[in-house]
Amino acid sequence: EVQVVESGGGLVQPGRSLRLSCTTSGFTFGDYAMSWFRQAPGKGLEWVGIVRSKTYGGTTEYAASVKGRFTISRDDSKSIAYLQMNSLKTEDTAMYYCAREIIADPWGQGTLVTVSS
Amino acid sequence: DIVMTQTPLSLPVTPGEPASISCRSSQSLLNSDDGNTYLDWFLQKPGQSPQLLIYTLSYRASGVPDRFSGSGSGTEFTLKISRVEAEDVGVYYCMQRINFPLTFGGGTKVEIK
Repeated sequence: EVQVVESGGGLVQPGRSLRLSCTTSGFTFGDYAMSWFRQAPGKGLEWVGIVRSKTYGGTTEYAASVKGRFTISRDDSKSIAYLQMNSLKTEDTAMYYCAREIIADPWGQGTLVTVSS
Repeated sequence: DIVMTQTPLSLPVTPGEPASISCRSSQSLLNSDDGNTYLDWFLQKPGQSPQLLIYTLSYRASGVPDRFSGSGSGTEFTLKISRVEAEDVGVYYCMQRINFPLTFGGGTKVEIK
């Protein structure tokens, strides 16, 4: 069974950093891109970014709202994708989801990030 | 950025009856090189994470009942439920992935009358 599980969320002050992990199982992680999404409380879905597989250079794309502050990386040996979030703002408060591939399937259960002083 | 617009915002439905949701994009989602239309549909059931229903316009994701179907072309798309069941309640989102940034429609909340 394909599974993705997010972790690392929590309460953080504005301007600080946090790193989220997306731990996967049930598929050959290195063959797939991994996507990150978020959903602010009571709001709709927002794409955050993607890291391609090494076959496609392991390159990344980001939403304008996070570009320059967030970095997506991957460790194929551990089947984990990461979302490093720096210079956090209150508007980054959201449930963060990872999903396999650009055809986002499946999604994890999410990890909540709250940015507040 | 491609703007995705969904209608209606809210859709009360009767079990056993059909239902449809519309999604419009500000640019064509047709890739002329491969002929694919890069439009996906997701359902977020209450208290759950989103799940993929339909990808690349009309392909049902694994395990999705055949009462769900996707159609459309260019900039106009429709998700149809042939006979609504109680378990279909939640918020439906369309998403384009022909260009970065990927963008979502605002969502359509489906609830039982």
